[in-house]
Amino acid sequence: QKEVEQNSGPLSVPEGAIASLNCTYSDRGSQSFFWYRQYSGKSPELIMSIYSNGDKEDGRFTAQLNKASQYVSLLIRDSQPSDSATYLCAPEGAAGNKLTFGGGTRVLVKP
Amino acid sequence: DAGITQSPRHKVTETGTPVTLRCHQTENHRYMYWYRQDPGHGLRLIHYSYGVKDTDKGEVSDGYSVSRSKTEDFLLTLESATSSQTSVYFCAIEADQGVAPLGTDTQYFGPGTRLTVL
Repeated sequence: QKEVEQNSGPLSVPEGAIASLNCTYSDRGSQSFFWYRQYSGKSPELIMSIYSNGDKEDGRFTAQLNKASQYVSLLIRDSQPSDSATYLCAPEGAAGNKLTFGGGTRVLVKP
Repeated sequence: DAGITQSPRHKVTETGTPVTLRCHQTENHRYMYWYRQDPGHGLRLIHYSYGVKDTDKGEVSDGYSVSRSKTEDFLLTLESATSSQTSVYFCAIEADQGVAPLGTDTQYFGPGTRLTVL
């Protein structure tokens, strides 16, 4: 079993719809969780962080965390073609300073 | 890009040759990381450093060594490159709270180096 699981996709959504991305992790000691966006041929770019159970909203992005279920998700509202990218989930290890990355979910937003 | 540069950006080499990749940062961050990214495997940690001359192994460290003689430079060396080391290599820094670009203490990535071993 992988430490961080993501559906590889592609997740195809029409423009203006909500894209919902899921991530499960195995390290119960993880306290910090990060979402990165990676465009093809580019480096990962941090878009969201979440530390507490519940929802955290930032613009069109909402991160949701449930530590009891070891589950973190990312919602992209009003999806735009520019949101087409691979989204990487990265919990931080219990000891801190080290991230474990999921394989990423590829999102395609169709006009 | 959090002041991180990587060199070279592209390299083609032959099996058995030594290769050194350089990561340079301008903002005095303590933690630096080397990852490789391959289709089907995502980003995997090779080695990381928590200060000058302080390094530790990641999950895929076999065949790689690192050195950090100055805060700003973190070098990744493939002593004898193999075709299985063909990959995209990313360097990252951990930015401290308060100076991080998004105010979040986490990792920020350099532009990457595409390495092909023939």
